Amino acid sequence: AAGVIQSPRHLIKEKRETATLKCYPIPRHDTVYWYQQGPGQDPQFLISFYEKMQSDKGSIPDRFSAQQFSDYHSELNMSSLELGDSALYFCASREVSGASPLHFGNGTRLTVT
Amino acid sequence: ILNVEQSPQSLHVQEGDSTNFTCSFPSSNFYALHWYRWETAKSPEALFVMTLNGDEKKKGRISATLNTKEGYSYLYIKGSQPEDSATYLCASMKTSYDKVIFGPGTSLSVIP
Repeated sequence: AAGVIQSPRHLIKEKRETATLKCYPIPRHDTVYWYQQGPGQDPQFLISFYEKMQSDKGSIPDRFSAQQFSDYHSELNMSSLELGDSALYFCASREVSGASPLHFGNGTRLTVT
Repeated sequence: ILNVEQSPQSLHVQEGDSTNFTCSFPSSNFYALHWYRWETAKSPEALFVMTLNGDEKKKGRISATLNTKEGYSYLYIKGSQPEDSATYLCASMKTSYDKVIFGPGTSLSVIP
């Protein structure tokens, strides 16, 4: 079965650079969520999209932006990177209808040096 | 309760022991409670999604119960095995469209 695909798997950037993370949800899933997990921390909700519109926003810095495109894939854009942005970034998708679970991608590990 | 809370933070049990842990969540405007299992170097995997008060779900040796009126859920593991070692996350939602808010997780280590 198709799963959530995230790219790249690993990314190394320097401070003040820009990074773009991509997420391809499971076909027919209409909602995408982004989470950030810092070292030794629980996943923190960043932002979500439903039917290509932003549906909710969590603790996402102003330096970050995200969008969902017409093919339902989503991109998380991160500018002016800081050392503290080093984390594992998970994307998850689900169907809004019914009590369906999140399906997670394998994550993108971002290291800022 | 404003956030999702889990206890204990970590747990070490012997192989064959049964164990349980707790998830507490806001009981107002409740829609669903999720349980996920997160193994090291893997992505979280869904165990259960529960919506109804009194719901009980089972998957092999793992089961969960839900009390929406008082805002808690229990996860039980019967006869723990080393492969059960993982972090168990719970998460709640207020509506079907709502963000899924995770608790900090309970880290389980099963000692052979």
